Amino acid sequence: DSGVTQTPKHLITATGQRVTLRCSPRSGDLSVYWYQQSLDQGLQFLIQYYNGEERAKGNILERFSAQQFPDLHSELNLSSLELGDSALYFCASSEGVRDTQYFGPGTRLTVL
Amino acid sequence: AQSVSQHNHHVILSEAASLELGCNYSYGGTVNLFWYVQYPGQHLQLLLKYFSGDPLVKGIKGFEAEFIKSKFSFNLRKPSVQWSDTAEYFCAVMGDFNKFYFGSGTKLNVKP
Repeated sequence: DSGVTQTPKHLITATGQRVTLRCSPRSGDLSVYWYQQSLDQGLQFLIQYYNGEERAKGNILERFSAQQFPDLHSELNLSSLELGDSALYFCASSEGVRDTQYFGPGTRLTVL
Repeated sequence: AQSVSQHNHHVILSEAASLELGCNYSYGGTVNLFWYVQYPGQHLQLLLKYFSGDPLVKGIKGFEAEFIKSKFSFNLRKPSVQWSDTAEYFCAVMGDFNKFYFGSGTKLNVKP
């Protein structure tokens, strides 16, 4: 157990819908990262937040957004969902900006 | 653009065989290097990391990796694999602007 929690574990929704994925970092970690893992794209870095502020941006679509709240938990919002958005979404956390990342168990999103 | 290459997509070994998984990255600046493992049905776990200092780093479960700056490589090794090492292994690089790049992964299948 890495100490990073993600909810829900599974999510099934329809195209065009909007979902929110939640992540709670390890105690004491200020950075939160979001990743998408799919069979064709592999593991892709989406975005990083540090202490509430965006610090790094990867291959995140405009339909996706994220935020980190004052209690340091983070949410990833996915809107106008498409079939291709079906994937495993991981959250990770680290103490600082360039530290070792500890991964959560992931949320499996299925878009039908 | 920065990238990480893992040339072996699928490796099959017998128990007690030696393992070496290749990882090359393209970036000339300062990098932090990682190897993560993902056991079937589980989340990513850190095997080892290199930030600075001795280029030969030792990780958990008998794994080690050597950073060769001139070759832009960070290969993972284990002298004698076990059936329990069956998993997918990911090399990762943290480069510019704290962006994290993962390789496409290598699936290791160890036959008992």
